[in-house]
Amino acid sequence: SQQGEEDPQALSIQEGENATMNCSYKTSINNLQWYRQNSGRGLVHLILIRSNEREKHSGRLRVTLDTSKKSSSLLITASRAADTASYFCAPSHNTDKLIFGTGTRLQVFP
Amino acid sequence: DAGVIQSPRHEVTEMGQEVTLRCKPISGHNSLFWYRQTMMRGLELLIYFNNNVPIDDSGMPEDRFSAKMPNASFSTLKIQPSEPRDSAVYFCASRMVGGTDTQYFGPGTRLTVL
Repeated sequence: SQQGEEDPQALSIQEGENATMNCSYKTSINNLQWYRQNSGRGLVHLILIRSNEREKHSGRLRVTLDTSKKSSSLLITASRAADTASYFCAPSHNTDKLIFGTGTRLQVFP
Repeated sequence: DAGVIQSPRHEVTEMGQEVTLRCKPISGHNSLFWYRQTMMRGLELLIYFNNNVPIDDSGMPEDRFSAKMPNASFSTLKIQPSEPRDSAVYFCASRMVGGTDTQYFGPGTRLTVL
């Protein structure tokens, strides 16, 4: 298992703007997941992208994966105040466990 | 489905006392994870089980911590004796082995050790 490293550590934007978060990892993966954590709550799975996929969409979320650069990005379009949360990436390669990084804290101002 | 259930949601105890945290995974899931989250250390994996068997407990901080999974629908994390530095939010998560790698988290137990 390996840990993903999210960047930036913190991001503040206005409602309606897009938010982009990045994740880097070190070794080969089978898939990479993104999770969201609202303050005081457990993590919630957002999206999973497999190593043979380059881009995936889910509602206002767009995830890209570049295995040659060992990086992924999460784009939230037309952000809302309710998107305020911490976002974590979790790269995975044939292991049961996920190692979470410190996340990106997103603040969306109304 | 009710999701992962944890109890209690909040626990305040005094140093030296025994603390038991409980988790009920999603029905049909056969892998269970215990995490601890603090501001200083982030989200740490403590231990996980597959089919009720502990697979990796390398994250368990010390002998004061123990975890059991007597059956597929119940797990406990025990701290004895508790110390102030154990104060954290403890999360339980479950998944289906052989399915996607997606983990489903419970709401957490906020533990405060005075």
